[in-house]
Amino acid sequence: QKEVEQNSGPLSVPEGAIASLNCTYSDRGSQSFFWYRQYSGKSPELIMFIYSNGDKEDGRFTAQLNKASQYVSLLIRDSQPSDSATYLCAVFAGGTSYGKLTFGQGTILTVHP
Amino acid sequence: DGGITQSPKYLFRKEGQNVTLSCEQNLNHDAMYWYRQDPGQGLRLIYYSQIVNDFQKGDIAEGYSVSREKKESFPLTVTSAQKNPTAFYLCASRLWTGYNEQFFGPGTRLTVL
Repeated sequence: QKEVEQNSGPLSVPEGAIASLNCTYSDRGSQSFFWYRQYSGKSPELIMFIYSNGDKEDGRFTAQLNKASQYVSLLIRDSQPSDSATYLCAVFAGGTSYGKLTFGQGTILTVHP
Repeated sequence: DGGITQSPKYLFRKEGQNVTLSCEQNLNHDAMYWYRQDPGQGLRLIYYSQIVNDFQKGDIAEGYSVSREKKESFPLTVTSAQKNPTAFYLCASRLWTGYNEQFFGPGTRLTVL
């Protein structure tokens, strides 16, 4: 079982729709969770992080965390073609991990006009 | 401007050669990281360093070496022992405090000829 697993893509949504990206993790001790956006050929860019159960909103982006289910998601409202990218989920386990993040394999999102 | 710089952007290596990838940050971040990304995959940790003159192996350290002589610099050497070095290499850094969010440099794309 992979430590961090993302829903297999690619995911295609029409412009203006809600895009839902999902991520599950295996380590129950995980403390904080990150979503990165990566455009083709570029480096990852941090979009949001969350560490408490519930929702965290930032503009069109909402991160949702459910530690009991070991599940974190990212919702993108009013999707735009510029949101088309690969989205990486990353998890920090804490303890002696010294800030080590474990990344999922990424989900490719395409927003079509 | 504060940020993380990586050089070169593109690098070509012949079989049997060692090459060194540069990573510099002026963010006064404590920890620095090297990741490797292969097409269609997430990031895998090569080495990381929490403080000067100290570094730890990540998940795929074989065939790589690093040094951390200055807080601002964390160069990665890809040795001839790395059998499949063609990949996108990403350097990241973070503050020691906070929620462990990491910020990435622009990356170096290494190709073995």
